[in-house]
Amino acid sequence: IVMTQTPLSSPVTLGQPASISCRSSESLVHSDGNTYLSWLQQRPGQPPRLLINKISNRLSGVPDRFSGSGAGTDFTLEISRVEAEDIGVYYCIQTTQFPRTFGQGTKVEIK
Amino acid sequence: EVLLVESGGGLVQPGGSLRLSCSASGFTFSTYAMTWVRQAPGKGLEYVSTISINGDITKYADSVKGRFTISRDNSKSTLDLQMSSLRAEDTAVYYCVKGWFNFDYWGQGALVTVSS
Repeated sequence: IVMTQTPLSSPVTLGQPASISCRSSESLVHSDGNTYLSWLQQRPGQPPRLLINKISNRLSGVPDRFSGSGAGTDFTLEISRVEAEDIGVYYCIQTTQFPRTFGQGTKVEIK
Repeated sequence: EVLLVESGGGLVQPGGSLRLSCSASGFTFSTYAMTWVRQAPGKGLEYVSTISINGDITKYADSVKGRFTISRDNSKSTLDLQMSSLRAEDTAVYYCVKGWFNFDYWGQGALVTVSS
């Protein structure tokens, strides 16, 4: 499954929203009924961190300014108001099928 | 607190072998699948391999199939990745990751450099 993210770079103003799109080449609906689409954040010099799984389930400790949505093959990560600590690269990943596949990454940076 | 600590990285010549290990703590290791993900310098994330709870199911990326072997020791809470026939394109930071569907915890990574 090929995961395609857009944009690859997102210059944002602090306090303004940001949105990242992720499209899969096939449906991500698993035979168990779940859709295994996750979003990861990688801050500079850090390992990735899981933010959201199963499209929209925010992990414990993840600020509520992060939200995920979508279905089937089209998914979106939204940051309602970007803060300085949100700077980094964001990846979508599908874990519905093997091999797992990542999007190319979207760099969120300050305008 | 969940902790995943990779070790065994280093410099290896093309065609050589290397074994990475991941020591896990802070959770019941034997009840979770485990995964390796890598990241080449300045590049994105690439899936490498996954192993089931008891090790009876293993999955690999096409790029490493036949060259890498994932294994685990539940009695020691360790995850291994045996890498052979290494190529320059295997140069990357290798992350140990907890999970099958949800990659919810990541180690700090171990750098593997394949170069003559």
